[in-house]
Amino acid sequence: DTEVTQTPKHLVMGMTNKKSLKCEQHMGHRAMYWYKQKAKKPPELMFVYSYEKLSINESVPSRFSPECPNSSLLNLHLHALQPEDSALYLCASSQGQSSGANVLTFGAGSRLTVL
Amino acid sequence: RKEVEQDPGPFNVPEGATVAFNCTYSNSASQSFFWYRQDCRKEPKLLMSVYSSGNEDGRFTAQLNRASQYISLLIRDSKLSDSATYLCVVNPLGSSNTGKLIFGQGTTLQVKP
Repeated sequence: DTEVTQTPKHLVMGMTNKKSLKCEQHMGHRAMYWYKQKAKKPPELMFVYSYEKLSINESVPSRFSPECPNSSLLNLHLHALQPEDSALYLCASSQGQSSGANVLTFGAGSRLTVL
Repeated sequence: RKEVEQDPGPFNVPEGATVAFNCTYSNSASQSFFWYRQDCRKEPKLLMSVYSSGNEDGRFTAQLNRASQYISLLIRDSKLSDSATYLCVVNPLGSSNTGKLIFGQGTTLQVKP
């Protein structure tokens, strides 16, 4: 069982829908990440939260809105997505962001299809 | 030049074979290096961190060559269950890490019976 839990596992949404992806970890990690992965490509970093504050936004379109309610939870709010946003969305956590503490533990992912 | 480069393969090998993957990185200040394994339609999982002195875990050996800026992964006595994509991951910024790890494109391994 993965120590980073993501829900839902699968999500199908229309371009006008609003939905959210959720991620939870109870390892006491202080850094949490959202990655997007397309088929046969490596994960692409979207956002990093460190100590519940957004520390990196990789110029992600505003239709993706991250939220970190507390140190264990990370959400990704989705609104007005495009079909090309269909992908596997991976949440990850690490002890911290500094070198030596940034070993990532990934969740199983949420597979998103935008119609 | 890409920051982290891997041969995408696929590497097709018979069971029991020894196979090696290399990964090159462009930033000489990089300090943290990892190999992750990703099965089809699953999440990446840490296989090994890579240390300067090299490290071994069972059939898997990782090496770091700072002078030539590459890391390697050697798999001995390949099993069918080793079939996966192996991702090389580098922290390019040394001590001033921002959490932005760089992923290689991945190398696909297929072990055949």
